[in-house]
Amino acid sequence: DTAVSQTPKYLVTQMGNDKSIKCEQNLGHDTMYWYKQDSKKFLKIMFSYNNKELIINETVPNRFSPKSPDKAHLNLHINSLELGDSAVYFCASSLYRDKNYGYTFGSGTRLTVV
Amino acid sequence: GQSLEQPSEVTAVEGAIVQINCTYQTSGFYGLSWYQQHDGGAPTFLSYNALDGLEETGRFSSFLSRSDSYGYLLLQELQMKDSASYFCAVRDQGQAGTALIFGKGTTLSVSS
Repeated sequence: DTAVSQTPKYLVTQMGNDKSIKCEQNLGHDTMYWYKQDSKKFLKIMFSYNNKELIINETVPNRFSPKSPDKAHLNLHINSLELGDSAVYFCASSLYRDKNYGYTFGSGTRLTVV
Repeated sequence: GQSLEQPSEVTAVEGAIVQINCTYQTSGFYGLSWYQQHDGGAPTFLSYNALDGLEETGRFSSFLSRSDSYGYLLLQELQMKDSASYFCAVRDQGQAGTALIFGKGTTLSVSS
C-alpha cells in the first residue's frame, strides 16, 4: 500500500500548456503539502492544506492552483507552463499541522517543460 | 524569516563516522528534523529533536543545542547505501499555517 501516491511520475510538456498533478494519501493525515525541488535539490514549500482548507500559500505564481476535494487528496494544476517550472514536485502529508516530524512524501513528479 | 545552513558536500569511506552540521535562524523554534533523500527518490524522515541532547536511532543519531541554534546528524558505520542527500528542517513560523522549511541539503558520498 502506497502511503502518498502521486501521478504522473514523469510529465513532459510544451511551454504554454496546462497540466495537473494528482496526489492521494491513505494515512489519515489532516495536512497535505506541495513542495518544489529544483535542479540544485532545494526543497521549497508551495502550498499547505489542512482538512481541505488552504493554510499556506507561499510566493508562487498564480498560474499554480492547488485543489483539495477532500482531506485525502491534494491536486496541483499549472496553467501556461514556463521553462522555469521544470522541477520535481513532491506532495507530502503529516498527521499534525503543528509538528516538525513525520512528513511522508510521495515519490515525486518530474516535470519537464520544453 | 527562517534560514538553515549545512555543508553542501561530505565524503567518507565505508565503516567511517560522519557528522553533518546544521545551523539555523528562526523567529520561533519548534524542533529540528532530518530527512534523507536518495537520488531519484523521495525525502524520508530520519529524526527529530525538540529538546537539547542526543537522540539515537540505530546507526544514526541527531543532536540539538538550542542555545547555539545548532544541530547535527551523526552517521556511524557508514555503508554505501548511506550515499544520499541529507536535509535539516525547521518549522516555519509567522504564517497562518506551518510547514517545514528545509536546508539546501548535504550530499554524502560513501566510497569503498
